[in-house]
Amino acid sequence: EVQLVESGGGLVKPGASLRLSCGASGFTFSTYNMGWVRQAPGKGLEWVSSISSSGSYIYYVDSVKGRFTISRDNAKNSLYLEMNSLRAEDTALYYCAKEGLGFLEHFGYYYYYMDVWGKGTTVTVSS
Amino acid sequence: SSELTQDPAVSVALGQTVRITCQGDSLRSCYASWYQQKPGQAPVLVIYGENNRPSGIPDRFSGSTSGITASLTITGAQAEDEADYYCNSRDSSANHVIFGGGTKLTVL
Repeated sequence: EVQLVESGGGLVKPGASLRLSCGASGFTFSTYNMGWVRQAPGKGLEWVSSISSSGSYIYYVDSVKGRFTISRDNAKNSLYLEMNSLRAEDTALYYCAKEGLGFLEHFGYYYYYMDVWGKGTTVTVSS
Repeated sequence: SSELTQDPAVSVALGQTVRITCQGDSLRSCYASWYQQKPGQAPVLVIYGENNRPSGIPDRFSGSTSGITASLTITGAQAEDEADYYCNSRDSSANHVIFGGGTKLTVL
């Protein structure tokens, strides 16, 4: 069974740090791009960061650049999100997701999707 | 950077057809993918690419694109289709991933 399981969330004070982990099973982790998506309470989905299969390409939403670091360990089938200088607005349920990305030359279109999601881990930043 | 715009709420009578739309410049070059999220659950991919359904997604779900507008159509909506629906694409110029604000679908 294809599965992603997040862990590492918790209640922290503003300015603190947390490290989220995501364990993958049921697919060849090292061949897929991976990403983190968050959802603040009662709000919509927000993409946070993505990392290519080898770890060579990394992207962040502007609001977390310089504070969050995405990484992966393909030998351990694991994805990570190091979060520093946490703010109240980082409070959310954090999902990890397996990504699909490609280019359909015939149509001249890219495609992108997230086809496997974990259940999420909750991060609460509050004094 | 680019945005994706969705209507906040849409309703449909049981068994009827409903279209949920998503607009944004990134859709000129990247197909939208669509996700269904029910309360307390993780999102589930329902449509990706030109019009592809992952295994297990009913064929009443379909997708299309015209210019900067992508659409998710549910033909013969069922009570279990009541959920939030999000579109998503990638802004290649900024190397960012974008989600629409979500559409709450009510099945009457």
